[in-house]
Amino acid sequence: EPEVTQTPSHQVTQMGQEVILRCVPISNHLYFYWYRQILGQKVEFLVSFYNNEISEKSEIFDDQFSVERPDGSNFTLKIRSTKLEDSAMYFCASTRHQGYTDTQYFGPGTRLTVL
Amino acid sequence: QQQVKQSPQSLIVQKGGISIINCAYENTAFDYFPWYQQFPGKGPALLIAIRPDVSEKKEGRFTISFNKSAKQFSLHIMDSQPGDSATYFCAALGAGGYQKVTFGTGTKLQVIP
Repeated sequence: EPEVTQTPSHQVTQMGQEVILRCVPISNHLYFYWYRQILGQKVEFLVSFYNNEISEKSEIFDDQFSVERPDGSNFTLKIRSTKLEDSAMYFCASTRHQGYTDTQYFGPGTRLTVL
Repeated sequence: QQQVKQSPQSLIVQKGGISIINCAYENTAFDYFPWYQQFPGKGPALLIAIRPDVSEKKEGRFTISFNKSAKQFSLHIMDSQPGDSATYFCAALGAGGYQKVTFGTGTKLQVIP
């Protein structure tokens, strides 16, 4: 069964450093998302992306965050200058269609630790 | 108003028992309510979902009950098994952000033999 993959599984970085989290969505999916989950808290929406554009973003997704689909398979989340509070599990998700009843398939996540 | 409230935070159930997790929402523009199951080290996976035009949906041992007037919905796991031990999230979509999943706070379920 096709699945969303994410690398790395765990990223440790120093505060102020840039990090890039990588995702490979399911191959025929067109809509891509990033969510984050701070330890012990709920999963929160960050951004949705379609046709090389952000379609929606949350208030969490400020100027320090950016997303990119650099080629036909990867979808990346960049944090320019990490803060301690960016420490969280980051999940990528994808769907084939635009309808909100279409299942979002989630990757296994990248645990980001900012020291 | 965009929140989905979920309870309990944790739940311990005997094998064979019924696990019940409750959620409530305020925004009436939400009109699709999925439940996600998350095992340690994995991302959330869709378990079952319901539209508000039906009051109940059953898939195997999993049932969603939906009360539109009360803006509440619940997940019932019948004949709970140790393999059901996971974190369960209720969620909601719609409300303009039609692709954005708004998650509840999660319930950690432990099914003991």
